[in-house]
Amino acid sequence: NAGVMQNPRHLVRRRGQEARLRCSPMKGHSHVYWYRQLPEEGLKFMVYLQKENIIDESGMPKERFSAEFPKEGPSILRIQQVVRGDSAAYFCASSLSGSGDEQYFGPGTRLTVT
Amino acid sequence: GENVEQHPSTLSVQEGDSAVIKCTYSDSASNYFPWYKQELGKGPQLIIDIRSNVGEKKDQRIAVTLNKTAKHFSLHITETQPEDSAVYFCAASPRDTGRRALTFGSGTRLQVQP
Repeated sequence: NAGVMQNPRHLVRRRGQEARLRCSPMKGHSHVYWYRQLPEEGLKFMVYLQKENIIDESGMPKERFSAEFPKEGPSILRIQQVVRGDSAAYFCASSLSGSGDEQYFGPGTRLTVT
Repeated sequence: GENVEQHPSTLSVQEGDSAVIKCTYSDSASNYFPWYKQELGKGPQLIIDIRSNVGEKKDQRIAVTLNKTAKHFSLHITETQPEDSAVYFCAASPRDTGRRALTFGSGTRLQVQP
């Protein structure tokens, strides 16, 4: 029973490049959430998606960041023109549905911008 | 928006002792309160949660209590073991339609001394 999968686990990008992070939810889960964790801090909500829909993007920076969860395939968090301040661990979580269900987290992608 | 405060930031106990971590929240609409355990280099692991219609929940050595009037909730770990050493995060969520974002506390680093 595979859990939430994220890849890559580690990603190094130079300033100005694009970073693309992937998340495959647990089997049967149709709701995906992205969170960002800076060193020594708690997780901060970014975006909540269902298949082909963005439900809540109140935590997403207005520029350079986008997310999608297509009908087929994993959810993608895309960061364009990365800057050093984007260096963080990005975690994806999934839930069975939206109503009262627990969120289960993946192992995260650690992004380093040089 | 919601604000979750967590104390203490670090906690050191002797093996076999109890550990208590406390959190307060600000949004009276919050009605779901999970606790996560995060080990170094890994994603957060859900260990227990409580909903607002319940005052206390227990699972073996772990218990959580909730006081909605005072807007605080606590994690209790009894008979601590070295493998309990990790960072623990509390979180709160309104669990309303379209609003599933977890707001996390800043974390408590628990060290269990053998």
